[in-house]
Amino acid sequence: DIQMTQSPSTLSASVGDRVTITCRASQSISSWLAWYQQKPGKAPKLLIYKASSLESGVPSRFSGSGSGTEFTLTISSLQPDDFATYYCQQYNSYPITFGQGTRLEIK
Amino acid sequence: EVQLVESGGGLVQPGGSLRLSCAASGFTFSSYWMHWVRQAPGKGLVWVSRINSDGSSTSYADSVKGRFTISRDNAKNTLYLQMNSLRAEDTAVYYCARETQWQPSLYDYWGQGTLVTVSS
Repeated sequence: DIQMTQSPSTLSASVGDRVTITCRASQSISSWLAWYQQKPGKAPKLLIYKASSLESGVPSRFSGSGSGTEFTLTISSLQPDDFATYYCQQYNSYPITFGQGTRLEIK
Repeated sequence: EVQLVESGGGLVQPGGSLRLSCAASGFTFSSYWMHWVRQAPGKGLVWVSRINSDGSSTSYADSVKGRFTISRDNAKNTLYLQMNSLRAEDTAVYYCARETQWQPSLYDYWGQGTLVTVSS
């Protein structure tokens, strides 16, 4: 199985900050990586797919980069609605696996 | 509007069974592969199972293989997950998710989830 490791597990930041979350795969997944946002009690929401493609309707302050085994999600200027938990997901091969999540909290 | 609505969760004793349903609307259900993903309380997302559009092909996580069965009824626009021999570690919110048609195993719509609690 491909292991996905996110860092940090928790990130404290303020509105307006630029933040970056990292996701590392245990083996190469090319660009088959997605990022999801999840708020408490809600289903995950797709933000980024194929490592750097922005899902329709997602604000442009979200961006993704990387390939192979190392990936990043960047939020250029945090908004109040962005405080949530973020998960990376590899869809290169079965079983599909997710990172353990990064909780983004208000400083 | 695409909607996925799960039901069937609840409290069940270890060793028991439960069948989850996911009612789909707002899209041509029979054209999409579907998945189940679960999330234990306070934990991360874990893929459980997937089924192709006509139900002829399925795949399972090792942790549920032989105990869970995914199926679908395209006439009823409904996805199912039959869960047998349930264990405490199966306690989780179970989400059904729609796979996009352009990227395999990428999920563009999710249901709101249904909670399964396995406890005596």
